[in-house]
Amino acid sequence: DAKTTQPNSMESNEEEPVHLPCNHSTISGTDYIHWYRQLPSQGPEYVIHGLTSNVNNRMASLAIAEDRKSSTLILHRATLRDAAVYYCILRALSYNTDKLIFGTGTRLQVFP
Amino acid sequence: GAVVSQHPSWVICKSGTSVKIECRSLDFQATTMFWYRQFPKQSLMLMATSNEGSKATYEQGVEKDKFLINHASLTLSTLTVTSAHPEDSSFYICSAKRQLGIDTQYFGPGTRLTVL
Repeated sequence: DAKTTQPNSMESNEEEPVHLPCNHSTISGTDYIHWYRQLPSQGPEYVIHGLTSNVNNRMASLAIAEDRKSSTLILHRATLRDAAVYYCILRALSYNTDKLIFGTGTRLQVFP
Repeated sequence: GAVVSQHPSWVICKSGTSVKIECRSLDFQATTMFWYRQFPKQSLMLMATSNEGSKATYEQGVEKDKFLINHASLTLSTLTVTSAHPEDSSFYICSAKRQLGIDTQYFGPGTRLTVL
């Protein structure tokens, strides 16, 4: 499985934008980039995913580098409820294996 | 969005007993369910993948005779930790997805198991 590298932790102030980076230099052409987040003592929550083009949804934006070797999850205005561990995961589209392999993620702290 | 529930949300048991954890997809049919384990301050580790009506596929290092998985219907999967020991104490999380392909996985809220 292709691996991802994320900073262990990041900090932000409330209502400021947050850019969470992820490196995935060994990504293959069929790997989708998924982001999940996990709030304390809860199961992970889907945030966003993309393949090549930048993506936007109500939760966040995903900016994917042209060579696809890195991506950035963007929270436009951080709130205290965004404090969580954010996981960047590569997911191969395969009918035989469809599993998510979680890395260590980035722990985001948001200060009021 | 799709909702996945787990029951119980927490359980405390004595060493040597077996514990069953249920994972249900409440508003969709899940062809595939996944079971994860998470120790404190660590990431999620995939334990097994189960498809409805067939045997689960376990990840390397996960004992299939200790962690029994049953996926008898499209909305229910169960994980039974047999002869639990204190080292099995962990946060167990299931996820479910609707179909093959790129459909997202929907996670349950987790079950905290404490073995005394």
